[in-house]
Amino acid sequence: DAKTTQPNSMESNEEEPVHLPCNHSTISGTDYIHWYRQLPSQGPEYVIHGLTSNVNNRMASLAIAEDRKSSTLILHRATLRDAAVYYCILTGTDSWGKLQFGAGTQVVVTP
Amino acid sequence: EPEVTQTPSHQVTQMGQEVILRCVPISNHLYFYWYRQILGQKVEFLVSFYNNEISEKSEIFDDQFSVERPDGSNFTLKIRSTKLEDSAMYFCASSAGIASTDTQYFGPGTRLTVL
Repeated sequence: DAKTTQPNSMESNEEEPVHLPCNHSTISGTDYIHWYRQLPSQGPEYVIHGLTSNVNNRMASLAIAEDRKSSTLILHRATLRDAAVYYCILTGTDSWGKLQFGAGTQVVVTP
Repeated sequence: EPEVTQTPSHQVTQMGQEVILRCVPISNHLYFYWYRQILGQKVEFLVSFYNNEISEKSEIFDDQFSVERPDGSNFTLKIRSTKLEDSAMYFCASSAGIASTDTQYFGPGTRLTVL
């Protein structure tokens, strides 16, 4: 019962922005939108999270639609080290810490 | 920066043998988790642990699996009698809390190969 939908893969050139979409049309009012990424042969790594407002940190930006049914993770200047699988995950009051990973989006960065 | 560590990085075992996977969570975290990822598949939640008790477990986490915090720093996953289908990457994670805003920090994983 996947709560989020993401494209299977996206490709970008190095130093160009990457916009990763995520649809979560059944999001509840208290669900947070989290993004994690998994570099090759590594464990998942937190990227960013938000509720309603757009968020920025040193890794990325998160743009959340006004109706919260979709969001976009923005990598401002992709580097080769950003090649990873990116997961969009909802966490709510009933999650109890459990993260439900989908298939994610495989980001390929071309030099 | 604090990090979650896991040992061993790779464990090879024979079917039917017991294995123990070890994790050292971040020191001030209170919640601990195990996830697994079969090759080419998605990351799957196994179990969460708090205050020396299992908080939640998935259908995968059957009687063959157990978790323990034997001391103040280690968190272990035991598989009593391994099966071929237990071959996977096992990731430990920890968090300060379980609120919707809490972040989980993952270890590098243990690759378990069951022959």
